[in-house]
Amino acid sequence: QVQLQESGPGLVKPWETLFLTCTVSGGSISPYYWSWIRQPPGKGLQWIGYIFYSGSTDYNPSFKSRVTISVDTSKNQFSLRLSSVTAADTAVYYCVRVVRRSSGWYGFDYWGRGTLVTVSS
Amino acid sequence: ETTLTQSPAFMSATPGDTVNISCKASQDIDDDVNWYQQKPGQAATFIILEATTLVPGISPRFTGSGYGTDFTLTINNIESEDAAYYFCLQHDSIPWTFGQGTKVEIK
Repeated sequence: QVQLQESGPGLVKPWETLFLTCTVSGGSISPYYWSWIRQPPGKGLQWIGYIFYSGSTDYNPSFKSRVTISVDTSKNQFSLRLSSVTAADTAVYYCVRVVRRSSGWYGFDYWGRGTLVTVSS
Repeated sequence: ETTLTQSPAFMSATPGDTVNISCKASQDIDDDVNWYQQKPGQAATFIILEATTLVPGISPRFTGSGYGTDFTLTINNIESEDAAYYFCLQHDSIPWTFGQGTKVEIK
């Protein structure tokens, strides 16, 4: 059974960079796609972006100028970097595995439990 | 960007009830909708794929229906273990987007 675990600081100062890591266990990070999703308090879920195990990425235009997702196949991990954070970036951040077949995208099958990141001075 | 409007935001049900959760898309998205269940402190569980396909291992009390812009998750003969947050996802076009979610309480 594939399991995902988010890790990183729970508190980030305004205008600094948020950095989270997702560790994949029970399966290999290749040859899959992986994503980050977040949910601000009291709001709906928001897709941030995805990365392929080879390193290719695509991002939600809402985050494109501030976000970088990277992968480390040797550690079976992928990471999220979100720069210039504000209070609006306070959210529970989830890492997920993307379902991709030859016929297209099919959403997400495995989710982490999420980690709360608060942006505050 | 495709907007998903999910309703209701909250519902309270009695064991044995049948409940319906709606997810309406702002444009035609074929059957590219998934449904998920999330309980507090747990990872979300994938329950319905492509609007109508039950994910293996999920109780057949869960059914999905719909195509195009209107989708429904139905929970038949609801049980106390079904108390959770449910949300829909569209994977028809990037950026992938979600419904606002429905909290289901069991009386």
